[in-house]
Amino acid sequence: DAGVTQSPTHLIKTRGQHVTLRCSPISGHKSVSWYQQVLGQGPQFIFQYYEEEERQRGNFPDRFSGHQFPNYSSELNVNALLLGDSALYLCASSPSSPPWGEQYFGPGTRLTVT
Amino acid sequence: GESVGLHLPTLSVQEGDNSIINCAYSNSASDYFIWYKQESGKGPQFIIDIRSNMDKRQGQRVTVLLNKTVKHLSLQIAATQPGDSAVYFCAEPATHQAGTALIFGKGTTLSVSS
Repeated sequence: DAGVTQSPTHLIKTRGQHVTLRCSPISGHKSVSWYQQVLGQGPQFIFQYYEEEERQRGNFPDRFSGHQFPNYSSELNVNALLLGDSALYLCASSPSSPPWGEQYFGPGTRLTVT
Repeated sequence: GESVGLHLPTLSVQEGDNSIINCAYSNSASDYFIWYKQESGKGPQFIIDIRSNMDKRQGQRVTVLLNKTVKHLSLQIAATQPGDSAVYFCAEPATHQAGTALIFGKGTTLSVSS
C-alpha cells in the first residue's frame, strides 16, 4: 500500500515568491496535517484539514494557507516567502475518525528560499 | 500546557548494546504518546505508541515505558543495530474540539557504531 506522498521533493524559491506544496494521504485517511521542520528541530504543527475544512491551526502567519480537496489530497501555500521559511515541510495523514493522534508522515518537501 | 522534551540531544552506542532514549512531559492530563524515528532526509516514521492506561508496551525490539508519577517515558531499543541510527522524537497529541496537533520534542540523535 502506498504511504503518504508529497511533491515536489525539493524546491528552490526566491524571497517574495509564492510556493504550493502537495500531499496525497494514505488511502482511506481523510485527515491531513502539515508540519514545518527547521533543521535540528522537531516538526512544528501548521494546520490540520478534515473533510475539506481547516480544523486546527498552529502559530503560523496568514502567509501560510492550505486547502483540502474532495479526494482528501491537500495543498500548502506559502506567500511572500522569507528566508526563514526554508525548511522541510511534512504532510501527515490520519485515519478517518477523531482523535487524530496517530499520524503517518510523508517524506517531506525540502524548500530552500534564497 | 502541552510540552514534550527529551533529556539528551545525542546518544552513542555500540552495535548490539541496548539503547534507552528518554522523554519528559509536563501535562499530567496527557493520555497518549507516540515515538517516531526520523532517518536523514526522510519524514518521521511511527515506531510505537502508548496510552496512559498502560505502563509498558512492547514491539519488535522496542519497548516503551510510561511513568505517570514523574511524567516520564522512555524508548528502549534492544540489540541496537546500525540501521537504528536516526533522530528519535517523542510526540504528544494536543487535541482540541476541532482537531489535533502533534507536539514534538527536539529529538535525540542515536548513533550506532559497529
